[in-house]
Amino acid sequence: AQTVTQSQPEMSVQEAETVTLSCTYDTSESDYYLFWYKQPPSRQMILVIRQEAYKQQNATENRFSVNFQKAAKSFSLKISDSQLGDAAMYFCAYRGLGGDGGSQGNLIFGKGTKLSVKP
Amino acid sequence: DGGITQSPKYLFRKEGQNVTLSCEQNLNHDAMYWYRQDPGQGLRLIYYSQIVNDFQKGDIAEGYSVSREKKESFPLTVTSAQKNPTAFYLCASTTNFFVNEQFFGPGTRLTVL
Repeated sequence: AQTVTQSQPEMSVQEAETVTLSCTYDTSESDYYLFWYKQPPSRQMILVIRQEAYKQQNATENRFSVNFQKAAKSFSLKISDSQLGDAAMYFCAYRGLGGDGGSQGNLIFGKGTKLSVKP
Repeated sequence: DGGITQSPKYLFRKEGQNVTLSCEQNLNHDAMYWYRQDPGQGLRLIYYSQIVNDFQKGDIAEGYSVSREKKESFPLTVTSAQKNPTAFYLCASTTNFFVNEQFFGPGTRLTVL
């Protein structure tokens, strides 16, 4: 079964600085998707960025980018020029495409990293 | 506006009572999901449905039930058999079960008194 691990329960960053959130996963599949979701205090889950495993190029969305290392099964999120509005829980999630029975297609989440942004 | 709505936002229940959480989407999505979130935990899948009149158990289905009679609606019933139902419940949907990202509703906070 696939697992997703976020080893940093809490992180802190100074406004305008850069921070990197870590995520590792375990899978035997070769094709899958990875996501980072943001959950602000309102608790609404918002998609930040996604990465297809077959793409070698790292995904980027404005100030958010990922470092996807397929061989190492690592998927870190980098937030540049951090803003106060970036303060939230961040969840890494894995989605397989099959070959593992009933879990295929379902999202598997890590336990999250709480990011604080200091003014 | 297209989106996912969940109601109520806060729900209180006495022990031994069943309660139903509503989830409605007007995104024309085929697949819908229910997740449970506890403090310090990620989201855990309760039930999911890829198509109308069909649904599957997730990782923590015990004590919960669902129905999918309409494409737009996927209600979750928390039964008295659920030992620890106090939690935050999130509903999600996607247009493609295998490929696309899931969109989430605003959630329902259930508290058992």
